[in-house]
Amino acid sequence: EDQVTQSPEALRLQEGESSSLNCSYTVSGLRGLFWYRQDPGKGPEFLFTLYSAGEEKEKERLKATLTKKESFLHITAPKPEDSATYLCAVEGNFNKFYFGSGTKLNVKP
Amino acid sequence: DTGVSQNPRHKITKRGQNVTFRCDPISEHNRLYWYRQTLGQGPEFLTYFQNEAQLEKSRLLSDRFSAERPKGSFSTLEIQRTEQGDSAMYLCASSPGNGGGQPQHFGDGTRLSIL
Repeated sequence: EDQVTQSPEALRLQEGESSSLNCSYTVSGLRGLFWYRQDPGKGPEFLFTLYSAGEEKEKERLKATLTKKESFLHITAPKPEDSATYLCAVEGNFNKFYFGSGTKLNVKP
Repeated sequence: DTGVSQNPRHKITKRGQNVTFRCDPISEHNRLYWYRQTLGQGPEFLTYFQNEAQLEKSRLLSDRFSAERPKGSFSTLEIQRTEQGDSAMYLCASSPGNGGGQPQHFGDGTRLSIL
């Protein structure tokens, strides 16, 4: 069964405390892995696309990496404005997207 | 690029009523997706269009749900005879549609509340 699993469900960090979010997947015909940020009451906002194992993408304090079965979103020295839910999605066969349940990140000042 | 627009933002209705939501995708995006999202969960796929053709529907989409994209531009999602379990955020996303691996761009959704 095609599935995307994210962990942890929730993460509380102090400002400046680096950590990583995990996304593991079992999806046939991987065409891309996507990371999104979602703020309360808003739609998901696109962050990164990764296509193949070994690939890395960076944006400000965020860095996404991809292996054959999982992806990590590394957050370096987070700030309170990084607080949000981070969603991972995988595109499989027939252009169908599978989303994880997200990791809710709370960064305390 | 004006982004994906969804209307209305909020809809409150009584059980048993019909509701219709509209999505205007980013212009020239060929693919349009509908998702449902409940609290604490990720978006759940409902259906998607390539231009005006509806290419796939989720098994979760009962016969009370119907979606159209008549001219390959905006899309509507209708729910007939609404039930309590239909309360959720309904999200629309679009992508260029040039092969696979293209990110989706989301609207801010329509929040449906069934009384």
